[in-house]
Amino acid sequence: DQQVKQNSPSLSVQEGRISILNCDYTNSMFDYFLWYKKYPAEGPTFLISISSIKDKNEDGRFTVFLNKSAKHLSLHIVPSQPGDSAVYFCAARASYGQNFVFGPGTRLSVLP
Amino acid sequence: KAGVTQTPRYLIKTRGQQVTLSCSPISGHRSVSWYQQTPGQGLQFLFEYFSETQRNKGNFPGRFSGRQFSNSRSEMNVSTLELGDSALYLCASSPSGMNTEAFFGQGTRLTVV
Repeated sequence: DQQVKQNSPSLSVQEGRISILNCDYTNSMFDYFLWYKKYPAEGPTFLISISSIKDKNEDGRFTVFLNKSAKHLSLHIVPSQPGDSAVYFCAARASYGQNFVFGPGTRLSVLP
Repeated sequence: KAGVTQTPRYLIKTRGQQVTLSCSPISGHRSVSWYQQTPGQGLQFLFEYFSETQRNKGNFPGRFSGRQFSNSRSEMNVSTLELGDSALYLCASSPSGMNTEAFFGQGTRLTVV
């Protein structure tokens, strides 16, 4: 039973356009969410986080939106660059100090 | 500042054997978590250690165990290896493990034959 779902295994976007990666969760107790990016043969690297008290957090080209009523969050990358091609993981935590639950990941390909 | 270091990077073992993986966290980080990554399953949480104590544990059988030393370095052990244990094992460290992002190592690719 996956508590964090990323229903699109892959996504292709043209360079310069917007990339939108989606994540859905089932546990209403999740209160902190993160996005990680992973290149082949490397460990995941932290991108951006959002707390449940917010509905948007922005960092440069990356923006995360949280819709608590729909139990849905999304990561927007604008503009997309070829170097953004990687696997993106969404992660959520139930309460302060608990472990993060990760989604299965979405492979983003940004085409030049 | 050096990142999270995992050794070895690659490992091939035979069914029934045991294996020990090592993780050195970022200096000053006291929380170390272990994850198993398999295709299509994302990162499955194994356990977390903080100040030499296991603080959280995932849903893995008892064949998977770990420990943390006083210098925060951590080891993970898998006994009686099965083919399904073939995966990328990732270690992540954070200052306290609470309300902060974790920093991952490059992982150990374990293949069980």
